[in-house]
Amino acid sequence: NAGVTQTPKFQVLKTGQSMTLQCAQDMNHNSMYWYRQDPGMGLRLIYYSASEGTTDKGEVPNGYNVSRLNKREFSLRLESAAPSQTSVYFCASSEGGRDTQYFGPGTRLTVL
Amino acid sequence: AQSVTQLGSHVSVSEGALVLLRCNYSSSVPPYLFWYVQYPNQGLQLLLKYTTGATLVKGINGFEAEFKKSETSFHLTKPSAHMSDAAEYFCAVSDTGRRALTFGSGTRLQVQP
Repeated sequence: NAGVTQTPKFQVLKTGQSMTLQCAQDMNHNSMYWYRQDPGMGLRLIYYSASEGTTDKGEVPNGYNVSRLNKREFSLRLESAAPSQTSVYFCASSEGGRDTQYFGPGTRLTVL
Repeated sequence: AQSVTQLGSHVSVSEGALVLLRCNYSSSVPPYLFWYVQYPNQGLQLLLKYTTGATLVKGINGFEAEFKKSETSFHLTKPSAHMSDAAEYFCAVSDTGRRALTFGSGTRLQVQP
């Protein structure tokens, strides 16, 4: 099993450009999450999906959109990237909301 | 609302010394508590978790944590540090009614030879 996979691993964007971060899990988990990690701030939840077909805002949703394409895949889209969105982005999945979350390797995004 | 406070953003110990990383939480209902570890340029891995039952929880790599309800704490310990323990450690909490974990800001552990 690959667990949670994320693409791309690295990305550099210019201000105003758009991109989609892809995430897939092969553990048949119901819940999936997108976090951003910034120095000294831990992980902050952007969006989550408790089950296929549902999505909910987390702590820092502004500037992002998500799609739960099917049970396996959960994508994060930046419509118009800003320098404040420079961060490391992690996708995670779990069986349920209170269960152990399994993390992908992360995407390091730089917005110039 | 739930929250997590990790005391000390950086902790430095000598190889072979006791490791103690502190975590305090607030939660309106009995919490589920987690410790994760992050090695450089990697994602987070679960070290251990507390749900219900025994308050002393043993995890991987010789780590353990004790849930103390009266102190709202879930401190992480390891009797003897190893160089390979150098990493960042995150405490997280989940309570009923929420569908996600809330993470602390992390503690970076440095192990000196």
